Amino acid sequence: QKEVEQDPGPLSVPEGAIVSLNCTYSNSAFQYFMWYRQYSRKGPELLMYTYSSGNKEDGRFTAQVDKSSKYISLFIRDSQPSDSATYLCAMSGKAAGNKLTFGGGTRVLVKP
Amino acid sequence: EADIYQTPRYLVIGTGKKITLECSQTMGHDKMYWYQQDPGMELHLIHYSYGVNSTEKGDLSSESTVSRIRTEHFPLTLESARPSHTSQYLCASSDGGTNEKLFFGSGTQLSVL
Repeated sequence: QKEVEQDPGPLSVPEGAIVSLNCTYSNSAFQYFMWYRQYSRKGPELLMYTYSSGNKEDGRFTAQVDKSSKYISLFIRDSQPSDSATYLCAMSGKAAGNKLTFGGGTRVLVKP
Repeated sequence: EADIYQTPRYLVIGTGKKITLECSQTMGHDKMYWYQQDPGMELHLIHYSYGVNSTEKGDLSSESTVSRIRTEHFPLTLESARPSHTSQYLCASSDGGTNEKLFFGSGTQLSVL
């Protein structure tokens, strides 16, 4: 079983809809949680970064972490065609060796 | 502007050739990484370095080698390319610490015929 599980999608939504993405993980040592966005044939870019449990909002993006359930989420409000990309969750922690562990990514398609 | 650069962006090469994928960063980061990613698949760490003259193998076994002679430069070499090496190779760097925020280059798409 993988340490980080992420539904590969694709997730297709109409423009303006809310996109909901999530990851589950098994290693309770993870403390730092990130979401990366990757456009086709490009490297991932850091989108959101959260430490421990709680919510973080940045513009149209909201990241949530529930450590008790080992579950993290990313919400994209008022989705745009330019949000079409693959979204990867990633996590790390001092007790987990500080190395980043990635989910497999969810492909999102926002249709105009 | 601080950034991380990878060259070439695309490389098509024949079996048996020696290739070097270049990666340079201008952010002054100590930690650098090489990941391998097949289409639609997750990233696999193949090499990393925590500083000059320090290199380690990652989680995924790879026939490639790396060197870190200068802080800003982390090239990856394949002595004899094979079709099984066809993949996207992503270089990344981070400023260290425990939060591991990685900054990625645009990648090199390698095709070995």
